[in-house]
Amino acid sequence: AQSVSQHNHHVILSEAASLELGCNYSYGGTVNLFWYVQYPGQHLQLLLKYFSGDPLVKGIKGFEAEFIKSKFSFNLRKPSVQWSDTAEYFCAVIPFSGGYNKLIFGAGTRLAVHP
Amino acid sequence: DAGVIQSPRHEVTEMGQEVTLRCKPISGHNSLFWYRQTMMRGLELLIYFNNNVPIDDSGMPEDRFSAKMPNASFSTLKIQPSEPRDSAVYFCASSLILAGGQETQYFGPGTRLLVL
Repeated sequence: AQSVSQHNHHVILSEAASLELGCNYSYGGTVNLFWYVQYPGQHLQLLLKYFSGDPLVKGIKGFEAEFIKSKFSFNLRKPSVQWSDTAEYFCAVIPFSGGYNKLIFGAGTRLAVHP
Repeated sequence: DAGVIQSPRHEVTEMGQEVTLRCKPISGHNSLFWYRQTMMRGLELLIYFNNNVPIDDSGMPEDRFSAKMPNASFSTLKIQPSEPRDSAVYFCASSLILAGGQETQYFGPGTRLLVL
């Protein structure tokens, strides 16, 4: 079965530190890739997405992600985090397998940024 | 664009009562999803509608759960009777599936349900 793996469940950083959250998926075909962010008590918001083209995708709030097809990865990065980035981050994948294509979420990574 | 609208935002009810959650998708979107989020199980897809037709309801926990989409601008998720283990945040999401299959799901603010 297709799955999405997020390597870190909890990450704690100080402000201005660099961030990289890992995401790997298990599907060899065409995929659409997403990162969503959920701030405390709020709903999921789209950070960025990859459909095709340039594998380096830039999103909102200074986030970017790189699709590496050979590694089945779509890691999220930010060069300098802020306290306001404290949230839970979800990687999600739509594997195209014909018919109905389901969005599959990872378990999420909780990021805490200390001032 | 108002985004996905859900109501109520919070619901507290007693075990055994009927609960109805409502969702208005983004205008023009052709797909609607109901998710449930808990600490223990994370995000779970409950049901998916495409053009108002239920396509995948394999995630619906049991017969106590039912969902309808009578038209393109409205959907309900009903729990009858409710149980304490149904306490969770229920999210509705909508998307526009394009010819190439590309889609982006946009989430509503969620309904926080507490069953006592």
